[in-house]
Amino acid sequence: SQTIHQWPATLVQPVGSPLSLECTVEGTSNPNLYWYRQAAGRGLQLLFYSVGIGQISSEVPQNLSASRPQDRQFILSSKKLLLSDSGFYLCAWSEGGQNIQYFGAGTRLSVL
Amino acid sequence: QKEVEQNSGPLSVPEGAIASLNCTYSDRVSQSFFWYRQYSGKSPELIMSIYSNGDKEDGRFTAQLNKASQYVSLLIRDSQPSDSATYLCAVNLDGGYQKVTFGTGTKLQVIP
Repeated sequence: SQTIHQWPATLVQPVGSPLSLECTVEGTSNPNLYWYRQAAGRGLQLLFYSVGIGQISSEVPQNLSASRPQDRQFILSSKKLLLSDSGFYLCAWSEGGQNIQYFGAGTRLSVL
Repeated sequence: QKEVEQNSGPLSVPEGAIASLNCTYSDRVSQSFFWYRQYSGKSPELIMSIYSNGDKEDGRFTAQLNKASQYVSLLIRDSQPSDSATYLCAVNLDGGYQKVTFGTGTKLQVIP
């Protein structure tokens, strides 16, 4: 069966520090991968998605970037965090050709 | 602007009652519709998918889709306190298989 791993679960970072969040999927090949952000009390905002290695689509321009160095690995990065980057970051995957998305446990990021 | 809209609630129902959650969407080419449940502080989990007009039942849950009127609903029969959560509607607004758009969610409170 497929599983998705996302870490860390909680992260507290100072403003201006770098960020790297990692997500890996097991039990499937060539999945679509997604990064979402959910601000407190708000809906899910799609940040990036990828349909294959090295293929990244950006949905919202901001100081974040994403990379997919391996088939089942998706990384969210920032060179300098802003206060507004605080939120609940969720990684998700879907089978290619299907819309059903399955979420990781999420990372709660607090930028202070 | 392409949107998925939900009433934010909270929707309060007594234990054992039927909870009715609604979602409207903006694009007629949409083909895939999903309901996710999100407990406070947790990641969303898929509870229902529906692709054709009409009703789809799974245990206490029934999804209803009306493409002509562009709405999808979720009925929860015999509501339990454990059903208290935020319910997110998701739609592939562009009709494709790469991404979906989430509504902001409806908070459901089941009162014992």
